Amino acid sequence: GAGVSQSPSNKVTEKGKDVELRCDPISGHTALYWYRQRLGQGLEFLIYFQGNSAPDKSGLPSDRFSAERTGESVSTLTIQRTQQEDSAVYLCASSSGTGHNQPQHFGDGTRLSIL
Amino acid sequence: GNSVTQMEGPVTLSEEAFLTINCTYTATGYPSLFWYVQYPGEGLQLLLKATKADDKGSNKGFEATYRKETTSFHLEKGSVQVSDSAVYFCALSDPSGGSYIPTFGRGTSLIVHP
Repeated sequence: GAGVSQSPSNKVTEKGKDVELRCDPISGHTALYWYRQRLGQGLEFLIYFQGNSAPDKSGLPSDRFSAERTGESVSTLTIQRTQQEDSAVYLCASSSGTGHNQPQHFGDGTRLSIL
Repeated sequence: GNSVTQMEGPVTLSEEAFLTINCTYTATGYPSLFWYVQYPGEGLQLLLKATKADDKGSNKGFEATYRKETTSFHLEKGSVQVSDSAVYFCALSDPSGGSYIPTFGRGTSLIVHP
């Protein structure tokens, strides 16, 4: 079966442009997470979706960041008016439910570079 | 709040050496504990997990035991290979407070030389 798929794998854009990153979770996974990983750093939580509940946006660093998810399928993370400090790998993960013993399944990430 | 503390890297070993990567945690409730591995250019993969005290998670020669008394979940492997070179993340998921957002450590880089 397919794992978590993210696209594009790499994105280079100019400062000030908007970017949209896509995540296809594993089919049937109700929970979806976005993280940011700066070079050589750990994971920074951004946003969490669970089913049709309101998302937990507590990790979004500014109002330039937003994310959507349609039902229990694809999610998009949008960064408006990109800045150089937005350069990072953006990782998406999904898991099969709300049980706290459920592991996360990660995509390979989108490497975003802001010139 | 919850937190995970890992030993700082990089950890540099020769092939066939014994590996320990320390992980300690603080949690409000009774968490599940995980180790993930990240190979270069890839996302994280689950390596092993444990969901209650004294459980031992194991996979691919790696082991970790959930020690509630010392709030630790140290990762060990008896004989590392060059292919084990990666970044290892310790994480917890705590059901108290209703949050399903895991807490990750900062990661420990492992470099294994032939």
